[in-house]
Amino acid sequence: GNSVTQMEGPVTLSEEAFLTINCTYTATGYPSLFWYVQYPGEGLQLLLKATKADDKGSNKGFEATYRKETTSFHLEKGSVQVSDSAVYFCALKGWGGQAGTALIFGKGTTLSVSS
Amino acid sequence: DTAVSQTPKYLVTQMGNDKSIKCEQNLGHDTMYWYKQDSKKFLKIMFSYNNKELIINETVPNRFSPKSPDKAHLNLHINSLELGDSAVYFCASSQPGQGIYEQYFGPGTRLTVT
Repeated sequence: GNSVTQMEGPVTLSEEAFLTINCTYTATGYPSLFWYVQYPGEGLQLLLKATKADDKGSNKGFEATYRKETTSFHLEKGSVQVSDSAVYFCALKGWGGQAGTALIFGKGTTLSVSS
Repeated sequence: DTAVSQTPKYLVTQMGNDKSIKCEQNLGHDTMYWYKQDSKKFLKIMFSYNNKELIINETVPNRFSPKSPDKAHLNLHINSLELGDSAVYFCASSQPGQGIYEQYFGPGTRLTVT
């Protein structure tokens, strides 16, 4: 079945450091891929998305490229800020699913940025 | 205006009680979901509804019963609460059809069973 594997956290960085959070997936066909962010005490917000190979999603300085050859969707940011401290989830929606098909989430990676 | 709202935000109750969590979306979406987030932050689908019809019913105890009175609302009723039900429950919605089917999440309901 479909699955998502994320790097284990927590990730601790200093402000302005470069961020990479690895995400790989297993799926048939052409799934859609997402990164969601959960700030402390809040719900999940969609950070970025990609629907086909070589698509690059980007938002708020974060980027991720859909790599079908390596089945990866790694999240990157060139210079993190304290306000980026949160839990980041990689997620997948299976290709061709009926309405109501759920997202499959990775286990989440906690990012802590210090000034 | 809040897109996906849930009430209550916090719910503390004793084992054996029955409780409900309500969810409403004002996005005009046809599909709604309930996810459970455990203490390790892992998120897992519980149910999904499309136009008030149950689509997904994962391996969830029968004590959990979703109800969708209309496509803007999806409530979750839990009978005979157990300690292991303590978690954060998230409601979400999406619009099926051509596109990415991205899901919009509510703020969550933190359920604590004592």
